[in-house]
Amino acid sequence: AQTVTQSQPEMSVQEAETVTLSCTYDTSESDYYLFWYKQPPSRQMILVIRQEAYKQQNATENRFSVNFQKAAKSFSLKISDSQLGDAAMYFCAYENGGSQGNLIFGKGTKLSVKP
Amino acid sequence: DTGVSQDPRHKITKRGQNVTFRCDPISEHNRLYWYRQTLGQGPEFLTYFQNEAQLEKSRLLSDRFSAERPKGSFSTLEIQRTEQGDSAMYLCASSSDYYYEQYFGPGTRLTVT
Repeated sequence: AQTVTQSQPEMSVQEAETVTLSCTYDTSESDYYLFWYKQPPSRQMILVIRQEAYKQQNATENRFSVNFQKAAKSFSLKISDSQLGDAAMYFCAYENGGSQGNLIFGKGTKLSVKP
Repeated sequence: DTGVSQDPRHKITKRGQNVTFRCDPISEHNRLYWYRQTLGQGPEFLTYFQNEAQLEKSRLLSDRFSAERPKGSFSTLEIQRTEQGDSAMYLCASSSDYYYEQYFGPGTRLTVT
């Protein structure tokens, strides 16, 4: 069975600085997708960034980028120029390529941004 | 596009009572998912619909849980004979066949006393 591990329960970053959130996963599949979701306090979960396993190029969305190391099964999220609005729970998620869309989530990392 | 909506947002019930939650997906999305999220954990998959067909169910979905999606539109999740362990946030998400992003609703927070 696939698993997703986020080893940092909490992280803190100074406004305008850069922070990296870690995620590792375990799978025997070759075709899969990886996601980072953001869940602000009392607000709904939104997709931050996605990565297809077959793509070697790391995904980037504005201030958010990933470091996808397929052989190491690592998928970290880098947030540059951190803003107060980035404070939230961040969840790493995995989906098999041939599945119906069943996402497997890690336990999350709570990110605080200090002004 | 009004997003995924869920009703109610909060539900407090006594142990042993039945509860039903509703999810309205984004109108053009034919896939609909239910997840459960307990405090300090990530969401856990419960079940999945493609149109009106329920195609996958997690082992987390005990016999007390039932989900429906009549006519492939909104979905309901019913929990019978609620237990304190059912207390959680129940999240609904929807997606299209052509793009894998799942759009989540605000969730229904269930408290069983």
